[in-house]
Amino acid sequence: EAGVAQSPRYKIIEKRQSVAFWCNPISGHATLYWYQQILGQGPKLLIQFQNNGVVDDSQLPKDRFSAERLKGVDSTLKIQPAKLEDSAVYLCASSLALAGVNEQFFGPGTRLTVL
Amino acid sequence: AQSVTQPDIHITVSEGASLELRCNYSYGATPYLFWYVQSPGQGLQLLLKYFSGDTLVQGIKGFEAEFKRSQSSFNLRKPSVHWSDAAEYFCAVTNAGNNRKLIWGLGTSLAVNP
Repeated sequence: EAGVAQSPRYKIIEKRQSVAFWCNPISGHATLYWYQQILGQGPKLLIQFQNNGVVDDSQLPKDRFSAERLKGVDSTLKIQPAKLEDSAVYLCASSLALAGVNEQFFGPGTRLTVL
Repeated sequence: AQSVTQPDIHITVSEGASLELRCNYSYGATPYLFWYVQSPGQGLQLLLKYFSGDTLVQGIKGFEAEFKRSQSSFNLRKPSVHWSDAAEYFCAVTNAGNNRKLIWGLGTSLAVNP
């Protein structure tokens, strides 16, 4: 089966610019996650969707970050305006369902560099 | 507070040597435990998981881990390391509540000498 797809793989922008990342989860996976991984650290959950509803966005900096999951499938994460400290790898993951504990499958990530 | 500690930031082993990566957790409820591996420029791949039952779990790529409730540990082991095992290894914990949010360790970077 196809894995989690993300694009772009790399992005370089200047501070105060905006950027968007796209994620296509594994077909049939109801739960979708966006993580931020700063170099040398573990992933930090930004937002979790169940179908097209938000389950947890407690660590999403809502003044500059936004995310949506159209029709409960693809998702986009946007940063506007970007700051230097947003330089990180942004990982998308999906899992079958919220009920029970299911493995999360990760995409390759988008490496963002903010200059 | 819920937390995962990976005491070793960086480990170097020789190819063919045995490996043990440590993971300790602090979690009030029954934990569900995971080990993920991240190769350079790649996403995270699940190595193995523990939900219940036999406390020694087998994973992919020849890895295994043992859940020890009395020590709040879930250490990852491999009897003979290959050069391709060089990567970052993350331990994570969740439970059936809490929206299944994964609590992650900071990772252990593994280098393998030829």
